[in-house]
Amino acid sequence: ETGVTQSPTHLIKTRGQQVTLRCSSQSGHNTVSWYQQALGQGPQFIFQYYREEENGRGNFPPRFSGLQFPNYSSELNVNALELDDSALYLCASSFGGASTDTQYFGPGTRLTVL
Amino acid sequence: QKEVEQDPGPLSVPEGAIVSLNCTYSNSAFQYFMWYRQYSRKGPELLMYTYSSGNKEDGRFTAQVDKSSKYISLFIRDSQPSDSATYLCATNPPKGGNQFYFGTGTSLTVIP
Repeated sequence: ETGVTQSPTHLIKTRGQQVTLRCSSQSGHNTVSWYQQALGQGPQFIFQYYREEENGRGNFPPRFSGLQFPNYSSELNVNALELDDSALYLCASSFGGASTDTQYFGPGTRLTVL
Repeated sequence: QKEVEQDPGPLSVPEGAIVSLNCTYSNSAFQYFMWYRQYSRKGPELLMYTYSSGNKEDGRFTAQVDKSSKYISLFIRDSQPSDSATYLCATNPPKGGNQFYFGTGTSLTVIP
């Protein structure tokens, strides 16, 4: 059983650019959640996808968007990057969207915006 | 007011000590509570979860929920240097699916 993987590991972008981060969920999982973790902070929920549909969104602007594919892998897209977007971006997969479903986190993508 | 508040530490203890990590939460409707451990440059990994009130034990780790005071705790007995990490508490609203609210994390160092 493979765990959650994310790519790339690190990324450096400049303000105004666009970025796409990728996540492969754990085998058998149909739900992916994305989080932003700023330095010294806990993860902040961005959104969740369940069976290719958005299933909840946190307090993030529309320039944060996502997709989930039929194989349940997922992308996080961020447009018009701002300096404050610099953070560790985590995806977590689970089987189902219920509160009692264990989430398994990937190692994250560290994004630096200059 | 944030949904979950956590003292960021840092906390430094000698090997073998009992560690107490604590969080408070804001909404009495929260029922599902989790503790995650995050090593440097890694994603969080689930340590324990509890539902509603009471204690749950797993080896050297005990999770405790006190709903009357909206207080959650994680106790680590016989702490080891390998326990050095950031510990995150989390909860989610009953109808919120996997939209977890995390504390800021407490950085723990266990000194050999």
